[in-house]
Amino acid sequence: EAGVAQSPRYKIIEKRQSVAFWCNPISGHATLYWYQQILGQGPKLLIQFQNNGVVDDSQLPKDRFSAERLKGVDSTLKIQPAKLEDSAVYLCASSPLFSGGANEQYFGPGTRLTVT
Amino acid sequence: LAKTTQPISMDSYEGQEVNITCSHNNIATNDYITWYQQFPSQGPRFIIQGYKTKVTNEVASLFIPADRKSSTLSLPRVSLSDTAVYYCLSGSSGSARQLTFGSGTQLTVLP
Repeated sequence: EAGVAQSPRYKIIEKRQSVAFWCNPISGHATLYWYQQILGQGPKLLIQFQNNGVVDDSQLPKDRFSAERLKGVDSTLKIQPAKLEDSAVYLCASSPLFSGGANEQYFGPGTRLTVT
Repeated sequence: LAKTTQPISMDSYEGQEVNITCSHNNIATNDYITWYQQFPSQGPRFIIQGYKTKVTNEVASLFIPADRKSSTLSLPRVSLSDTAVYYCLSGSSGSARQLTFGSGTQLTVLP
């Protein structure tokens, strides 16, 4: 079974530029998550999708971050404009379970973003 | 906010059993307890999940007391390759409650 795919793996941009990350979840997984992980910290949930609908985006900085999951499969996360504090690893995860509360998530390798 | 508390770090020796305890005092009725392992430059990897009592799989056991306010991940006979950060989560997928990773526990296995 193929895992969660993310691209690019690394990205370096200057502040105020824009950047986009792409995620392809495991086939058949209805739930998709984007996390931000700053060095030395645990992952922080940015947004959670159920199919192509948003379940939770309460921690997404909506003035600069946006995410979409058209057709309920692939997803993109965009930052515009980027700030220095956005330097982090952006992780995508997917889960086959929704009802009942269980949340076994499968993570991709992440995209390491450096903002200079 | 489903918050968890874990020790920042732990050391162990190869072949020993390691127990990492997590506190989740405000766990909700629908919340599950999930543990993940993360190596440097990789995404977290699911280890085990439970709701109450004891769960065991091929890599770990999870002990959850009746009040569910804490849980203990048990790793039998650790090896050097078990050196990683371990995260405990309490939360419920598909609800408005946030899935919150804490700072995790850095486990270092020594030869």
